[in-house]
Amino acid sequence: QVHLVESGGGVVQPGGSLRLSCAASGLTFSSIAMHWFRQTPGKGLEWVAVISSDGNRKYYTDSMKGRFSISRDNSKNTLYLEVNSLRSDDTALYYCATERAPRAANDYWGQGTLVTVSS
Amino acid sequence: DIQMTQSPSSLSASVGDRVTITCRASQNINNYLNWYHQKPGKAPKLLIYDVFNLQSGVPSRFSGSGSGTDFTLTITSLQPEDFATYYCQQSHIIPRTFGPGTKVDIK
Repeated sequence: QVHLVESGGGVVQPGGSLRLSCAASGLTFSSIAMHWFRQTPGKGLEWVAVISSDGNRKYYTDSMKGRFSISRDNSKNTLYLEVNSLRSDDTALYYCATERAPRAANDYWGQGTLVTVSS
Repeated sequence: DIQMTQSPSSLSASVGDRVTITCRASQNINNYLNWYHQKPGKAPKLLIYDVFNLQSGVPSRFSGSGSGTDFTLTITSLQPEDFATYYCQQSHIIPRTFGPGTKVDIK
């Protein structure tokens, strides 16, 4: 059974940083591209970034380029999202999700980790 | 970016009703259209992928149709566990984008 478990969220001041993690089990992690999404009441579901199965290709939504960094450690079955220079509008529930073939739907999601940016 | 719209934004229905939700993409998405539902406090759950393919374990009362830019999700006989918010998503190009959601609640 596939499980994705996010962690690392919390309350951080504007300008601060966090490292989010997504631990995967029940799947061949090193063969799967992985995404980060986020969700807020105001903006709904928003795609954040994707990383290829080998970690060599990374893409970001424009507003997060340069501030967010996606990475993975296939030896630990773990996905990461480094979030820097945080702003109040980055406050959201952050989810990781799988993409098991090119352009495939995101079939497995974690439960999310909440990031709150507040002074 | 590809813009996704949905209608209606909300609807009230009774158990046993037939429900239809539509989704429109701002450009051709080559049928890379997926449907999710989400219950409060839970992650989105994939229902249908690539327009009409039922995800494993999803009941057959759910079906999808459409092509090009216009798509439909149909629930033939609404069950109590189906009251949720429904989202369409395009996976044709990055950034993946979602519709704003359709909230289905109890009449």
